[in-house]
Amino acid sequence: DTGVSQDPRHKITKRGQNVTFRCDPISEHNRLYWYRQTLGQGPEFLTYFQNEAQLEKSRLLSDRFSAERPKGSFSTLEIQRTEQGDSAMYLCASSLGGRAYEQYFGPGTRLTVT
Amino acid sequence: SQQGEEDPQALSIQEGENATMNCSYKTSINNLQWYRQNSGRGLVHLILIRSNEREKHSGRLRVTLDTSKKSSSLLITASRAADTASYFCATGGNTGKLIFGQGTTLQVKP
Repeated sequence: DTGVSQDPRHKITKRGQNVTFRCDPISEHNRLYWYRQTLGQGPEFLTYFQNEAQLEKSRLLSDRFSAERPKGSFSTLEIQRTEQGDSAMYLCASSLGGRAYEQYFGPGTRLTVT
Repeated sequence: SQQGEEDPQALSIQEGENATMNCSYKTSINNLQWYRQNSGRGLVHLILIRSNEREKHSGRLRVTLDTSKKSSSLLITASRAADTASYFCATGGNTGKLIFGQGTTLQVKP
């Protein structure tokens, strides 16, 4: 257990539905990252926050995706109008700003879109 | 986008043997890290090597870095069944955004 938690661990949804995932980072970590991992591949960066500010977004993050980190604590990742191609593991990680590369990952949320 | 390739994609060895996996990357880096992922779970940080380092050890792990060839290797000595997992290299810049390789799946047979 790294101290980063994610909820839910598994989500099955029908195409077209909206889903929201939550990540609770290690409490003193000011940076929070979201990654997506498809089967047999390494994680791919989606976006990251420093405190409540979203500083970078990958082009993988289409208009259907939105991430927030109100108050600089937990973060949510919402996917609207889900598509089968969104099926993946969504990983959250956190770090201290001064050691941004030393990231602690949560267990992930596995999304299956049917 | 993936940073590069990992080699081999899959590796099967007997307990007690050494396992070596390689990673190549494309851009200049500040550091390179190795992570382990057990089936269907999150990633666990194993070791970080900075761009000005050539070799680093941690327990049964040895990592080398050759910046001229843009490559790194991870050696696990005296492997155990519990080492069965996928191993990923990741490169990071100043923002902390990590770019991962495609991973090597290691199976250690008891």
